[in-house]
Amino acid sequence: GAVVSQHPSWVICKSGTSVKIECRSLDFQATTMFWYRQFPKQSLMLMATSNEGSKATYEQGVEKDKFLINHASLTLSTLTVTSAHPEDSSFYICSARTSGEIGQFFGPGTRLTVL
Amino acid sequence: DAKTTQPPSMDCAEGRAANLPCNHSTISGNEYVYWYRQIHSQGPQYIIHGLKNNETNEMASLIITEDRKSSTLILPHATLRDTAVYYCIVRVEGDYKLSFGAGTTVTVRA
Repeated sequence: GAVVSQHPSWVICKSGTSVKIECRSLDFQATTMFWYRQFPKQSLMLMATSNEGSKATYEQGVEKDKFLINHASLTLSTLTVTSAHPEDSSFYICSARTSGEIGQFFGPGTRLTVL
Repeated sequence: DAKTTQPPSMDCAEGRAANLPCNHSTISGNEYVYWYRQIHSQGPQYIIHGLKNNETNEMASLIITEDRKSSTLILPHATLRDTAVYYCIVRVEGDYKLSFGAGTTVTVRA
């Protein structure tokens, strides 16, 4: 089946620093990837849709200047949390779109903790 | 606005079948029913999907009512590793965005 990886799996950073999270499709090409955020005991919330070679589309209420998304190749999308603050601490999950009816496969997630 | 309604939680016994209900009374003709599950601290895992016919794969069966207003995911022989949050999602054909509700927290007990 299609495999999606994320790196790092967890990261701890100081308030005010920036953190980059990578999402890779390992055995298929993905023109579209999605980024989700999940706070403790809550469901996944879609943050943005990442399209290879073009600007990302952000969901309402998500600050595009704070969550920078770059989809530079058909197998890699990155999410950079700029000037991270404790309220940005969350579980960030990406998914990659595939052809066929299944539609998308998810990465294992990245746990971000901002001190 | 929630497109699906699921019970918040359910328990089931190891080795028994687990039947997870989902209501989607406003489903449109071009919307599929998808099921995902999320084991604690992992990304969601695709389980099964269907349009109007019942479906079965190596993980589960999906029963969709004739009027398509509800469906049931069946885990035939639940194991402890099936403990997870199960999400029922309706998705329009060609629209790859997924909207996750609260899901059902399933706890399989020995």
